[in-house]
Amino acid sequence: GIQVEQSPPDLILQEGANSTLRCNFSDSVNNLQWFHQNPWGQLINLFYIPSGTKQNGRLSATTVATERYSLLYISSSQTTDSGVYFCAVDSRPYNTDKLIFGTGTRLQVFP
Amino acid sequence: DGGITQSPKYLFRKEGQNVTLSCEQNLNHDAMYWYRQDPGQGLRLIYYSQIVNDFQKGDIAEGYSVSREKKESFPLTVTSAQKNPTAFYLCASSILTGNKNEQFFGPGTRLTVL
Repeated sequence: GIQVEQSPPDLILQEGANSTLRCNFSDSVNNLQWFHQNPWGQLINLFYIPSGTKQNGRLSATTVATERYSLLYISSSQTTDSGVYFCAVDSRPYNTDKLIFGTGTRLQVFP
Repeated sequence: DGGITQSPKYLFRKEGQNVTLSCEQNLNHDAMYWYRQDPGQGLRLIYYSQIVNDFQKGDIAEGYSVSREKKESFPLTVTSAQKNPTAFYLCASSILTGNKNEQFFGPGTRLTVL
């Protein structure tokens, strides 16, 4: 099946810093989502982005489907950005209904 | 308010007992999903359903059962056959339009087996 790898596994930042999170996937995909899991466990949708670039406030994402990677940019980080960021994809050659999750990037932002 | 609700938020179970986790959505979404998350890990798919009265096994279905009698409800039963049920359980739903499958998640249920 499709493999999803996220890097870095852990990231520690001071408030105000910028960061880039990466998601590599091993096969072509129909769907790609970025999520933020807050300290209470809630998964919050950040972007639905199987291709192209999107921006939402301090966050933006770019997916280059032909090269099988996606990037999540966080600018001017805040302590509320702390948590785990997941990338999830479906596997086009196999099944468009199942999302496969990466193991996440744990972000800690300190004041 | 539109959204996905899960109950209870915390659940404690004795070994050998079956428990049922509730998931309800009022988004009129076609598909619903159950995932399991272990500490420090990503999510793994247990079961999913694209339509009422039909569901498919995910990657880790052993020891679990589901039903989909109504479009808005997709309860998950953790049976005594599940060897290590302590985990965080997340329910999701999505509209299936062509190849698009954007999933939205409920707040989760933390199950602890005593």
